Amino acid sequence: DQQVKQNSPSLSVQEGRISILNCDYTNSMFDYFLWYKKYPAEGPTFLISISSIKDKNEDGRFTVFLNKSAKHLSLHIVPSQPGDSAVYFCAANNAGNMLTFGGGTRLMVKP
Amino acid sequence: SAVISQKPSRDICQRGTSLTIQCQVDSQVTMMFWYRQQPGQSLTLIATANQGSEATYESGFVIDKFPISRPNLTFSTLTVSNMSPEDSSIYLCSVRSGAGNQPQHFGDGTRLSIL
Repeated sequence: DQQVKQNSPSLSVQEGRISILNCDYTNSMFDYFLWYKKYPAEGPTFLISISSIKDKNEDGRFTVFLNKSAKHLSLHIVPSQPGDSAVYFCAANNAGNMLTFGGGTRLMVKP
Repeated sequence: SAVISQKPSRDICQRGTSLTIQCQVDSQVTMMFWYRQQPGQSLTLIATANQGSEATYESGFVIDKFPISRPNLTFSTLTVSNMSPEDSSIYLCSVRSGAGNQPQHFGDGTRLSIL
């Protein structure tokens, strides 16, 4: 049973446009959500997080939105740059130590 | 954030052998974790490495197969024992400082292939 799902395995966006990556979860006990970016042959790099008491968190070009009633979060990247091309994972935590990861979305930003 | 070094970065091993992966952090951290990423899959938590006591394993992972040590607040090892081709994966160390909702930070992983 996948508690965290990223239904789009890949996404292609033109440079300068907005990238929107989506993530759905089923466990209502999750209270902290994170996005990681992963380049080949490197470990995941933390990007941005959001607590369940918020519905939006912004850091530069990256904004995460949380819709608790829909159990849905999204990552917006504006403007997208070729260097943003990577695999993006969403992850969720339920007040313990365990992070549950989605399957990842491969973002390709075309120049 | 902390600098996390994993060794080796990659290895090719024969089935039936064991390999120990090291994770070194440049500062003291509260929590250390070990994950596995099988080919084409997402990351799965193997265990939480507890300083001075036995690791806490997630469902599906056992100490005999994945013994873990954490002698201090900056170092941990994961051993993959009696390897089979199904153990071919990327093994990642992560750390977290402080309590509450804090992000985990990852090393670059060890890419393991079993022949």
